[in-house]
Amino acid sequence: EIVLTQSPGTLSLSPGERATLSCRASQSIPSSYLAWYQQIPGQAPRLLISGASRRATGIPDRFSGTGSGTDFTLTISRLEPEDFAVYFCHQYGSSPPWTFGQGTKVEI
Amino acid sequence: EVQVLESGGGLLQRGGSLRLSCAASGFTFSNCAMSWVRQAPGKGLEWVSTVSAGGGSTFYAVSVMGRFTISRDNSKGMVYLQMNSLTAEDTATYYCAKGTGSGSYPYQFDYWGQGTLVTVSS
Repeated sequence: EIVLTQSPGTLSLSPGERATLSCRASQSIPSSYLAWYQQIPGQAPRLLISGASRRATGIPDRFSGTGSGTDFTLTISRLEPEDFAVYFCHQYGSSPPWTFGQGTKVEI
Repeated sequence: EVQVLESGGGLLQRGGSLRLSCAASGFTFSNCAMSWVRQAPGKGLEWVSTVSAGGGSTFYAVSVMGRFTISRDNSKGMVYLQMNSLTAEDTATYYCAKGTGSGSYPYQFDYWGQGTLVTVSS
């Protein structure tokens, strides 16, 4: 099973600042099959990034993903008020079980 | 417009059974692997189970294997999760999620339902 470790657990920032979230895998993820989701409290997760760097439909370009192998990063270039949420990484590149990181909370 | 809607959650006692349903529309249902992902109160996301696009392959997390059964009806656009021998550790919001994969594996989840809450009392 591939374990995903996200850091930091909580990121305290202000609107307009840059957020950098990390996701580290316990083994290399094939074909960069790594996704990022945003979850606002009380809502379902929303797909932001797939394939480590490909933005999903309708996702603003202030969200970007980079990385390969075992180290991946989600960057939010300038935080908007609606970006304060919890972010999860997810690997879907190997055979099951498919796993999620424990989440990073971005708070004001 | 893609829509995913879960139903069937509720409160039940330890050892009980429950069947969750997921109605999906707005896409070619029979071309997409479908999954259940759960989230315990205040916790992270946990993949639970996946059924392949054609329904012939199923996959389970170790934590539910032998107790949960996933199935689908492509003629109705429905996915089901039969849950037996429930324990307090199964208490969570259960999300039905559409995968982008057209075969056995779901790949990323591009559409999620709003979830249905299952509470198991001990």
